[in-house]
Amino acid sequence: NAGVTQTPKFRILKIGQSMTLQCAQDMNHNYMYWYRQDPGMGLKLIYYSVGAGITDKGEVPNGYNVSRSTTEDFPLRLELAAPSQTSVYFCASSYQGEEDEQYFGPGTRLTVT
Amino acid sequence: GDSVTQMEGPVTLSEEAFLTINCTYTATGYPSLFWYVQYPGEGLQLLLKATKADDKGSNKGFEATYRKETTSFHLEKGSVQVSDSAVYFCALTISGSARQLTFGSGTQLTVLP
Repeated sequence: NAGVTQTPKFRILKIGQSMTLQCAQDMNHNYMYWYRQDPGMGLKLIYYSVGAGITDKGEVPNGYNVSRSTTEDFPLRLELAAPSQTSVYFCASSYQGEEDEQYFGPGTRLTVT
Repeated sequence: GDSVTQMEGPVTLSEEAFLTINCTYTATGYPSLFWYVQYPGEGLQLLLKATKADDKGSNKGFEATYRKETTSFHLEKGSVQVSDSAVYFCALTISGSARQLTFGSGTQLTVLP
């Protein structure tokens, strides 16, 4: 199993550009999450999904969109990149259950200039 | 809302020293508590967890006890190694919340040989 994979690893965007961060998991997990990690801070939840076709906002959803058409994939879309979106983005997944841990991808480092 | 407070870092220790990283929480429900570790350039990995009061989580020589009376989940290790150098995050999740994790700000640990 590859676990949780994310692409790209690094990206530099100009203000106003758009891009999609890809996330895939091969563990048949039904729950998936997107977090952002700013320097010196903990992770903050952007969006999450409890299954294909179901998504919901987390703590910091503004400026982002998600979709979940399959169990495996959970892409994160930035429509109009802003400098405030410079961050490291982590995707995670878990199997529904009271004690199931979240498995994290390696992250995407995004810089908006 | 729910929150996690960790001791500020960075923490620098000599090899074989005793480690304590303090973590306290505020939660409206009955949280499960976690410690995640992030090695340089990698995603987060679950280190240990505890799901109810007085539970002790342990892994790789690290321990933490869920103290409901003091709302704490302090991380300890009796003898740290250089390979323990990483960022440590305390986190909680509330039952029935789609397993959303609320993270502390992280504590950078550096162990010197």
